[in-house]
Amino acid sequence: KAGVTQTPRYLIKTRGQQVTLSCSPISGHRSVSWYQQTPGQGLQFLFEYFSETQRNKGNFPGRFSGRQFSNSRSEMNVSTLELGDSALYLCASSYIPHTGELFFGEGSRLTVL
Amino acid sequence: DQQVKQNSPSLSVQEGRISILNCDYTNSMFDYFLWYKKYPAEGPTFLISISSIKDKNEDGRFTVFLNKSAKHLSLHIVPSQPGDSAVYFCAASEKREKLTFGTGTRLTIIP
Repeated sequence: KAGVTQTPRYLIKTRGQQVTLSCSPISGHRSVSWYQQTPGQGLQFLFEYFSETQRNKGNFPGRFSGRQFSNSRSEMNVSTLELGDSALYLCASSYIPHTGELFFGEGSRLTVL
Repeated sequence: DQQVKQNSPSLSVQEGRISILNCDYTNSMFDYFLWYKKYPAEGPTFLISISSIKDKNEDGRFTVFLNKSAKHLSLHIVPSQPGDSAVYFCAASEKREKLTFGTGTRLTIIP
C-alpha cells in the first residue's frame, strides 16, 4: 500500500511569493493533518482536514491556509512568504480523526530567500 | 509556550545497553501520548503509544512509562541497536485530537 506522498519534495522561493504544497494520503485515509518542522521548535500543528472540512487549526497566521478535496488529497498554501517560513512541511494521514496515530509523508522542504 | 518538552537534544548510548528518552508535559488535559522516530530525509514513523489510564506499555524492545503526577513520560529501548539511531519525538494529545510534539532528542547508538 503506497504511503503518504508529498510534492514537491524541495523548493526555493523568495520573500513575498506564495507557495502551494500537495499531499496525497494513504488510500482509504480520510483525515489529513499538516505540521511545520523547524530546528529547535519540533513539529508544530498547522491544521487538520476530514471530509473536506477543517476540523482543527493551529496558531499560525492567516497567510497559512489549506483545503481538502473530495478524493482526500490536500493542499496547503502560504502567501506572502517570509524568511521564517523556511521549514520542512509534513503531511500526515489517518483513516479517521481521533486515532492519535498518524502516518507521515517525507515532507516538503521549503527554503525562502 | 512549549507544552511538551524534551530537555535533552541529544543522547549517546553503547550498543546493547538501555536507552532512556525523557519527555515532560505541562497540560494536565493531555490523555494520550505517543513516541515517533524520524530518520533523516524521512517522515516520522509511529513507535508506541500510551493512554493516561495506564502507566506502562510494552512493545518488543520498546517500553513507554507514564507518570501522571509528575507529568513525565519516558521511552526505554532495550537492548539498543545501531538501527535505533534517529531523532525521537514525543507527542501528546487531548482526546486524540491534534498532536503537540516535543522538540526531539537525537539518539546515537555507538557500536
